[in-house]
Amino acid sequence: KQEVTQIPAALSVPEGENLVLNCSFTDSAIYNLQWFRQDPGKGLTSLLLIQSSQREQTSGRLNASLDKSSGRSTLYIAASQPGDSATYLCAVRPSGGYNKLIFGAGTRLAVHP
Amino acid sequence: DTAVSQTPKYLVTQMGNDKSIKCEQNLGHDTMYWYKQDSKKFLKIMFSYNNKELIINETVPNRFSPKSPDKAHLNLHINSLELGDSAVYFCASSQAQGRRETQYFGPGTRLLVL
Repeated sequence: KQEVTQIPAALSVPEGENLVLNCSFTDSAIYNLQWFRQDPGKGLTSLLLIQSSQREQTSGRLNASLDKSSGRSTLYIAASQPGDSATYLCAVRPSGGYNKLIFGAGTRLAVHP
Repeated sequence: DTAVSQTPKYLVTQMGNDKSIKCEQNLGHDTMYWYKQDSKKFLKIMFSYNNKELIINETVPNRFSPKSPDKAHLNLHINSLELGDSAVYFCASSQAQGRRETQYFGPGTRLLVL
């Protein structure tokens, strides 16, 4: 059974720091891995989607890496800003079958000025 | 334009009542989903419909009945509400079942059962 774990559960950093959020999954049979952002009281916004054949994806100050064989992904946020404060969720799509996402519990990030 | 919308945004109700949550997407997608986010913030899939046909049912109590009148709508009806049903329910949609398809989420419906 696929399980997704995110570490740390919460993180508080001063503005400007570079930071790394971690995601691990127990079954390497995945089609892709996605990172989402969830703001309080809002829905989820997809940040990056990495296919199982890819090693990393970049969007602006965000860079996500994937090591499928070891069951790990990291989300790197460069030069953090207060506007980055949110919960970041990692989700994997298992191989085979229908499109369903298995989520981690998220990392709650607070970036203070 | 709102891509995936849900109504209502908030729902407070008594135990034992029956309630419905509506979801609509204007993205032209073929597949829609319901997820539940519990108090520990875990998001878990409940149902998925592809072209109005049920394709995923993740061991959800049969008090929950999804209904898809057309490809753009997926509603969730809950009978005999229980305290444990209190959660945030998210609707999502995707173009199809391909490996590269991302899911687009609605803003969520916050359900509180008293």
